[in-house]
Amino acid sequence: NAGVTQTPKFRVLKTGQSMTLLCAQDMNHEYMYWYRQDPGMGLRLIHYSVGEGTTAKGEVPDGYNVSRLKKQNFLLGLESAAPSQTSVYFCASSWARTYEQYFGPGTRLTVT
Amino acid sequence: AQKVTQAQTEISVVEKEDVTLDCVYETRDTTYYLFWYKQPPSGELVFLIRRNSFDEQNEISGRYSWNFQKSTSSFNFTITASQVVDSAVYFCALSVVNYGGATNKLIFGTGTLLAVQP
Repeated sequence: NAGVTQTPKFRVLKTGQSMTLLCAQDMNHEYMYWYRQDPGMGLRLIHYSVGEGTTAKGEVPDGYNVSRLKKQNFLLGLESAAPSQTSVYFCASSWARTYEQYFGPGTRLTVT
Repeated sequence: AQKVTQAQTEISVVEKEDVTLDCVYETRDTTYYLFWYKQPPSGELVFLIRRNSFDEQNEISGRYSWNFQKSTSSFNFTITASQVVDSAVYFCALSVVNYGGATNKLIFGTGTLLAVQP
């Protein structure tokens, strides 16, 4: 039982490049989330999903897209990376709306 | 609007001291959940506790205890006899149950960095 996994763990991009972060969970959770963590700002919600085939915007969605084609996977895409997207990205999942979220190990992304 | 304030940016204690991490939240909703997460230097986020707005009973788990007071909108976390392994960033978070359709979004405070010196 791996819980929540994220790939890759580290990535360096040049401005304008694109990439996809993959999140996978093996707990059969309905809800999945993408957050970014920046110094002094806690975690901020980018996008989330309440079930397979659904996605919704969070607090800071601009510049990101997501897809949830399978229940266990939640993908975060950056179409044209910008230095402002340098951050640590966390994926999380939960059983339902009021339950605790379980987090992946994070992806450290640097955009130069 | 909902908000979580962790006014203590950094706390430094010596091993075996007790330490309390403060968390103050704001919401107009009557049904909500409060959480604490730990982020050790390795970077992962570890769930510690979940408490709903209708349960003001304090909770103790080993050296950890939580004091929930609705009257002051606070959900403070105390570590008794701190240890070096307690060194981490601790986040308080709020989730509002909005029956209008909003999902369970966690609103995080900015975190408190706890350094426990040997």
